[in-house]
Amino acid sequence: AQSVTQLDSQVPVFEEAPVELRCNYSSSVSVYLFWYVQYPNQGLQLLLKYLSGSTLVESINGFEAEFNKSQTSFHLRKPSVHISDTAEYFCAVRVDDFGNEKLTFGTGTRLTIIP
Amino acid sequence: DTGVSQNPRHKITKRGQNVTFRCDPISEHNRLYWYRQTLGQGPEFLTYFQNEAQLEKSRLLSDRFSAERPKGSFSTLEIQRTEQGDSAMYLCASSLSRGHSDTQYFGPGTRLTVL
Repeated sequence: AQSVTQLDSQVPVFEEAPVELRCNYSSSVSVYLFWYVQYPNQGLQLLLKYLSGSTLVESINGFEAEFNKSQTSFHLRKPSVHISDTAEYFCAVRVDDFGNEKLTFGTGTRLTIIP
Repeated sequence: DTGVSQNPRHKITKRGQNVTFRCDPISEHNRLYWYRQTLGQGPEFLTYFQNEAQLEKSRLLSDRFSAERPKGSFSTLEIQRTEQGDSAMYLCASSLSRGHSDTQYFGPGTRLTVL
């Protein structure tokens, strides 16, 4: 069975500083990887995803993540954070196995931006 | 595209009572998923439908839980004889099947509190 580990439950960062949210996964088969964001009092929103092709994927609001198969990681980065990035971030994996459509989520990382 | 909607948004019930939640997916999405999220955890998969067929159920879905999607559109999740351990956020998501590239879009969730 697949699993996702987000080692950092909380990450405080000063505004305009860079940030990295770590995500490692475990799976015996190929995977698809996702980052979802949950802003305060809102539902989960897809931030970015890796399905195939280029291992570096980007979101429209400046986040990027790189799929590293050898290290089984999909860390999320942003070079300069803003107050509006305050949210909880969830990494998720889905295996490349027809009929197995469920997402397996990590426990989340709460990103707090300090003015 | 009005997004995934869920009703009610909040439900408080007494232990032993039955509750039913409704999910309306994005129009024309043929897949519908239910997840449960407890405090400090990521969402956990419960079950999913492709059209009206329930294709996968998690072991988390005990006999007290039942989900339906009778016409392949909206879905209901019923919990019978609720227990305090059922207190959680119940999330619904939908997607349009396009092989392995479909993205799950989440609703705002129904927060259940069992007293």
